Amino acid sequence: ILNVEQSPQSLHVQEGDSTNFTCSFPSSNFYALHWYRWETAKSPEALFVMTLNGDEKKKGRISATLNTKEGYSYLYIKGSQPEDSATYLCAFPYNDMRFGAGTRLTVKP
Amino acid sequence: DSGVTQTPKHLITATGQRVTLRCSPRSGDLSVYWYQQSLDQGLQFLIQYYNGEERAKGNILERFSAQQFPDLHSELNLSSLELGDSALYFCASSASWTVVETQYFGPGTRLLVL
Repeated sequence: ILNVEQSPQSLHVQEGDSTNFTCSFPSSNFYALHWYRWETAKSPEALFVMTLNGDEKKKGRISATLNTKEGYSYLYIKGSQPEDSATYLCAFPYNDMRFGAGTRLTVKP
Repeated sequence: DSGVTQTPKHLITATGQRVTLRCSPRSGDLSVYWYQQSLDQGLQFLIQYYNGEERAKGNILERFSAQQFPDLHSELNLSSLELGDSALYFCASSASWTVVETQYFGPGTRLLVL
């Protein structure tokens, strides 16, 4: 069974804190890893598509790194703001697209 | 706004019925994906179409079928509906068929089967 695991399941931080969470995926047959941000009552919004080992991508205060050899990706948020509160999903394309269960981030003002 | 549209936004129906969900991809996108999110499960991939042809299949039930039309819009048909089919159904689109393309999600159709 091909599993995509995300940790932690949930995270509560104060405004201004920096935070990070992990996505683990099978290291064999790697093509890409997708990160999405999903706010309540909205639809998933694409953040990054990571394809190269060692890749680092950045979008504002959010960045992500990729290690395909060991099968993990980190998502970092610098100086969290209340509007960053959302569920962050990673997805691993295999024969189909496998999603992790997500990390639910709550940023308290 | 991702540029992907889905109709209807909400749908309430009874067990045993058949419904059709519609998706229009972003302008220029050739791939359409369908996903299901049930209360007790994460996002599940159902099926992908690329330029009118089925490209990949996930955990799609035999009671469900989809197609992509020449104008690239797609429909997901759900038949013999059961209570457990109640879920949020998302459509997403991407420029091509490859897994390295960004997928853009529509707003979803919330289906309630009573």
